[in-house]
Amino acid sequence: QVQLVESGGGVVQPGRSLRLSCAVSGFTFTKYGMHWVRQAPGKGLEWVAAIWHDGSQTFYAESVEGRFTISRDNSKNSLYLQINSLRAEDTAVYYCARDLGTLFYFYGMDVWGQGTTVIVSS
Amino acid sequence: DIQMTQSPSSVSASVGDRVTISCRASQGINNRLAWYQQMPGKGPKLLIYTATSLHSGVPSRFRGSGSGTNFTLTITSLQPEDFATYYCQQANTFPNTFGGGTRVDVK
Repeated sequence: QVQLVESGGGVVQPGRSLRLSCAVSGFTFTKYGMHWVRQAPGKGLEWVAAIWHDGSQTFYAESVEGRFTISRDNSKNSLYLQINSLRAEDTAVYYCARDLGTLFYFYGMDVWGQGTTVIVSS
Repeated sequence: DIQMTQSPSSVSASVGDRVTISCRASQGINNRLAWYQQMPGKGPKLLIYTATSLHSGVPSRFRGSGSGTNFTLTITSLQPEDFATYYCQQANTFPNTFGGGTRVDVK
């Protein structure tokens, strides 16, 4: 079945880096744009980043631009989020999600992972 | 960036009630509006996309309406499993943005 499984979260000191991974299965990964969305404790959803189906275009929230990098390896059916210079406000559950649209079209996120938790603390 | 304003932030309702949630965009979004349901401790689930299209497997009591900058999610007859938090999201322009959420709880 269609599945997204995130990994790579943990407790990290401020200023350090972390790479989150999302392993996908059950669908043709190369057809779909992908997103990362995060949710701080007790807060709402925050869109973080997206990437085209072929990885040629990436998009970021202003709050993370310059520190976060979204990427994908279509040969490994995997999505990544590199997070640098971690801050306390990056503490959140990070979800990867597939867009309902294919190729260059984005309509909303129809498949979500279970999330991986990042805690930034000294 | 496009701002998405949801209202109310919370609503108390009973099983069988009609519940309406509003979402306003700060500029036009070509009806690229999605609605999600999130249960506590779980990832979101897509309910509606392109403002009015019901996602596969979603009960027909969930209805999306609106156009331009004003959109509505209506639950026509609230069921016990519908007590949750609901979010709108604009998918027209990057950066995508979510509304602040509406919690539907038991009256």
